[in-house]
Amino acid sequence: NAGVTQTPKFRILKIGQSMTLQCTQDMNHNYMYWYRQDPGMGLKLIYYSVGAGITDKGEVPNGYNVSRSTTEDFPLRLELAAPSQTSVYFCASRSRQGASEQYFGPGTRLTVT
Amino acid sequence: GESVGLHLPTLSVQEGDNSIINCAYSNSASDYFIWYKQESGKGPQFIIDIRSNMDKRQGQRVTVLLNKTVKHLSLQIAATQPGDSAVYFCAENMGAGGTSYGKLTFGQGTILTVHP
Repeated sequence: NAGVTQTPKFRILKIGQSMTLQCTQDMNHNYMYWYRQDPGMGLKLIYYSVGAGITDKGEVPNGYNVSRSTTEDFPLRLELAAPSQTSVYFCASRSRQGASEQYFGPGTRLTVT
Repeated sequence: GESVGLHLPTLSVQEGDNSIINCAYSNSASDYFIWYKQESGKGPQFIIDIRSNMDKRQGQRVTVLLNKTVKHLSLQIAATQPGDSAVYFCAENMGAGGTSYGKLTFGQGTILTVHP
């Protein structure tokens, strides 16, 4: 199993551009999460999903959108990128309600200039 | 909002020593607490968790202690090795039971450096 995979690994965007960060998991997990990690800080939850077709906002959803059309995929969309969105983005999945462990992908490092 | 924080941002130890990393939390309703290890350039890796109805839990070379009276969490690493060098985060689930959906609040992190 590959676990949680994310693409791209790195990306530089100009202010106002848009992009989609891809996340795929092959563990058949229902729960998926997007976090951002700013330098020297812990992770903050952007959006999460409890299953295909169901998504909801986390702590810091402004400027982002998500969709969950399949169990495997949970893409994160950035519209009108801003310098404040420069960060490392991590996708994670969890198997079931009651499980504590989340499995993280390797991250996407995004710079907006 | 609720937050999780750390007392010590950096910790340097000698190989073979025991390490203790501390964390303060504020959400009394959290069901569980987790410690994650993050190596440079990688995603966080689960180390150990502890449920709110427990005081102590042991894993391989690690022990987590939970003091609900003072809302304090600690991670003890026995016989610390150079491979343990990383950033360690504590995290708590937001809310209680079925309402949390596994949403986590992370602390700032502690940098552990192990010298050979």
